[in-house]
Amino acid sequence: EVQLVESGGGLVQPGGSLRLSCAASGFTFGSYWMSWLRQAPGKGLEWVANIKEDGTKKYYVGSVKGRFTISRDNAKNSLYLQMNSLRAEDTAVYYCARDAFDVWGQGTMVTVSS
Amino acid sequence: QSALTQPASVSGSPGQSITISCTGTSSDVGTSNYVSWYQQHPGRAPKLMIYDVSNRPSGVSNRFSGSKSGNTASLTISGLRAEDEADYYCCSSTSSSPYVFGTGTEVTVL
Repeated sequence: EVQLVESGGGLVQPGGSLRLSCAASGFTFGSYWMSWLRQAPGKGLEWVANIKEDGTKKYYVGSVKGRFTISRDNAKNSLYLQMNSLRAEDTAVYYCARDAFDVWGQGTMVTVSS
Repeated sequence: QSALTQPASVSGSPGQSITISCTGTSSDVGTSNYVSWYQQHPGRAPKLMIYDVSNRPSGVSNRFSGSKSGNTASLTISGLRAEDEADYYCCSSTSSSPYVFGTGTEVTVL
């Protein structure tokens, strides 16, 4: 079964850091672009970042550039999102998704609050 | 990159057809072959319903169809059923950023 499972969410203070992980199974992880997306409470979906199959290209939405870093470890079938200098507006459910968003994880909640 | 514009809500009776619009610009929907649609039930992850403007993934009902004209993409749900009640989002590739999503549409089955 093709599956993505996120972890690492939680409560963090403004200015703090958090690292999200996404474990992939059931498909050849290293053959797909991967993305992180998010959804603030009661709001719509927002694409956050994506990374090429071999990790050589990365793209970010403007609001997280310089603060978030996407990475992957194909040997571990894992995707990561390092989030630094977190702000209240980063509060959201974070999803990882495969390629053109044909497979999604269940999401992990990140709350930025003092 | 501004979000694509969708109607906040659309409703219909069981068996009817409804259409959800997704309006962008010539920098996204108007020039993209990569327009997709997602269904999201409360508390659940989104599910891909249409990709590349009009293609259905395996397992998605043929009651769902997609199209595009100019800067506006559309999702049509025919033979509306109670289980179609959900939020729907469009998404497009853009010339300035890989992806932009629509504002979302709440579908209500009366």
